[in-house]
Amino acid sequence: QKEVEQNSGPLSVPEGAIASLNCTYSDRGSQSFFWYRQYSGKSPELIMFIYSNGDKEDGRFTAQLNKASQYVSLLIRDSQPSDSATYLCAVNIGGTASKLTFGTGTRLQVTL
Amino acid sequence: EAQVTQNPRYLITVTGKKLTVTCSQNMNHEYMSWYRQDPGLGLRQIYYSMNVEVTDKGDVPEGYKVSRKEKRNFPLILESPSPNQTSLYFCASSLLVGSYEQYFGPGTRLTVT
Repeated sequence: QKEVEQNSGPLSVPEGAIASLNCTYSDRGSQSFFWYRQYSGKSPELIMFIYSNGDKEDGRFTAQLNKASQYVSLLIRDSQPSDSATYLCAVNIGGTASKLTFGTGTRLQVTL
Repeated sequence: EAQVTQNPRYLITVTGKKLTVTCSQNMNHEYMSWYRQDPGLGLRQIYYSMNVEVTDKGDVPEGYKVSRKEKRNFPLILESPSPNQTSLYFCASSLLVGSYEQYFGPGTRLTVT
């Protein structure tokens, strides 16, 4: 079992719809969870982080964390073509301060 | 401008020819890290450094070396590159070790023939 798992996609959603991206992780001791966006040929950039169970909203983005189910998700409301990118879930597995483990990413396509 | 810089951005080399990829940050960050990104495998950590003169192995350290003599610089050294080290490499830094945002450099695309 991979430490951080994501569906590779592509996930295709129409413009204006809600995109839902999911991530599961293996270690219950993990404490910090990040979502990075990576455009093709570019470096990852942080869009959201979450540490506590529940929802965290920032503009059109909402991160959801359920530690009991070892599940973290990212919702993008009113999806725009500019949201088309690969979304990387990252977790500090086991609460290890020094190490961030990334999933392989989900490619999102927002269609007109 | 706060940034992480890497050089070179693109490199084509031959098997066995030593090379160094430089990484520098101007944000006074304590923590720096190197990753490689390969299709289907995602970002994998090679080495990281929690402070000057403190480095440790990540998930895929074989064939790589690093050093951290100054806080701002964290070069990645391939003593004898092989074709399986063909990859996209990213340097990243964060203010402190732990649950902080990592800032990524622009990437170095390395091809070893």
